[in-house]
Amino acid sequence: GNSVTQMEGPVTLSEEAFLTINCTYTATGYPSLFWYVQYPGEGLQLLLKATKADDKGSNKGFEATYRKETTSFHLEKGSVQVSDSAVYFCALSSARMDSSYKLIFGSGTRLLVRP
Amino acid sequence: DGGITQSPKYLFRKEGQNVTLSCEQNLNHDAMYWYRQDPGQGLRLIYYSQIVNDFQKGDIAEGYSVSREKKESFPLTVTSAQKNPTAFYLCASSIGGGGRETQYFGPGTRLLVL
Repeated sequence: GNSVTQMEGPVTLSEEAFLTINCTYTATGYPSLFWYVQYPGEGLQLLLKATKADDKGSNKGFEATYRKETTSFHLEKGSVQVSDSAVYFCALSSARMDSSYKLIFGSGTRLLVRP
Repeated sequence: DGGITQSPKYLFRKEGQNVTLSCEQNLNHDAMYWYRQDPGQGLRLIYYSQIVNDFQKGDIAEGYSVSREKKESFPLTVTSAQKNPTAFYLCASSIGGGGRETQYFGPGTRLLVL
């Protein structure tokens, strides 16, 4: 079945460091891919998405490129801030038997940025 | 401002009790979803609804029930049959049920068992 695998956290970085959070997926067809961010005690917010191969999603300095050849959607940011500390979830859309879609989430990667 | 509201923020359940979590959206979205989040894990789909008066089971529907009588509202009942209900519950909505559409999430309800 379809699945998403993320690197285990926590990831601890100093402010202004470069961030990479790895995400790989297994899926049939051409799913859309998403990164969501969850701040402590809150719901999820969409960070960025890509709907087809070679698309690059970007938002707030974060980027991720849909790589079909490596089945990856790694999240990157050139210079992290303390305010980026959160849990990041990679997800893909998966078709159901009734032609609806559901999101399949990775287990999340906690990022801690120190001043 | 458009968005999704969930209430209450915290909910306590006694043994054998049914409790209902509220989810309301004013985004005019057709599709709505309920997810469960356990510590250190991703989200798992409980129920979803693509249109009013219709809903489908997700991956972990046992011990839960829903209704969709109005477009704006998708309440979730955690029944006494759910033996391990302690979790963070998230409601989401999207314009439709398509694979490219973004799901927007509410702030969540944390359910604790007394």
